[in-house]
Amino acid sequence: KNQVEQSPQSLIILEGKNCTLQCNYTVSPFSNLRWYKQDTGRGPVSLTIMTFSENTKSNGRYTATLDADTKQSSLHITASQLSDSASYICVVSANTGFQKLVFGTGTRLLVSP
Amino acid sequence: EAGVVQSPRYKIIEKKQPVAFWCNPISGHNTLYWYLQNLGQGPELLIRYENEEAVDDSQLPKDRFSAERLKGVDSTLKIQPAELGDSAVYLCASSFGKTGTDTQYFGPGTRLTVL
Repeated sequence: KNQVEQSPQSLIILEGKNCTLQCNYTVSPFSNLRWYKQDTGRGPVSLTIMTFSENTKSNGRYTATLDADTKQSSLHITASQLSDSASYICVVSANTGFQKLVFGTGTRLLVSP
Repeated sequence: EAGVVQSPRYKIIEKKQPVAFWCNPISGHNTLYWYLQNLGQGPELLIRYENEEAVDDSQLPKDRFSAERLKGVDSTLKIQPAELGDSAVYLCASSFGKTGTDTQYFGPGTRLTVL
């Protein structure tokens, strides 16, 4: 069964600190993995996308890694800001001829001043 | 350029009443998706359109849910009659194509509360 599991479920960090969010997946056949940021009351916004051959992808203070062998990904946030408070959703796309997305339940991050 | 537009943003209805949600995708995007998102969960696909054709509606509860995208642009999702368990956020998304590398852009969602 195609599944995406994320940890931790929630996280509180102080402003300026770094944090790492984890994602494990069992989606097959694998197409790509995305990290989305979802602010409260808004729709998810894509942060990064990685295909099978990519190990790391950065977007400003966000750096995503992918280990396709162990089927694990992480999202590292550097020098956190209050605006980073949001849910971060790991989304894996299955290569079924069209884009079938499998969503994780997300990690809710709160950056505290 | 405007993003995906959804309306209304919030809707409160009593159970057994009908409700409809509207979505206008990003201009030029051929693929449109409706998702359901429960609190603390990731979105779950309800239906996917390629132009005006519903190509994946396997997760749509067809006894009470219906959707249309008549001209291949904007779309409407309807629930009739609504049940208490339908309370959730309904997200619309669009993408230019259907391949795995086409980014889906999400609207802000419609938060439905069924009393």
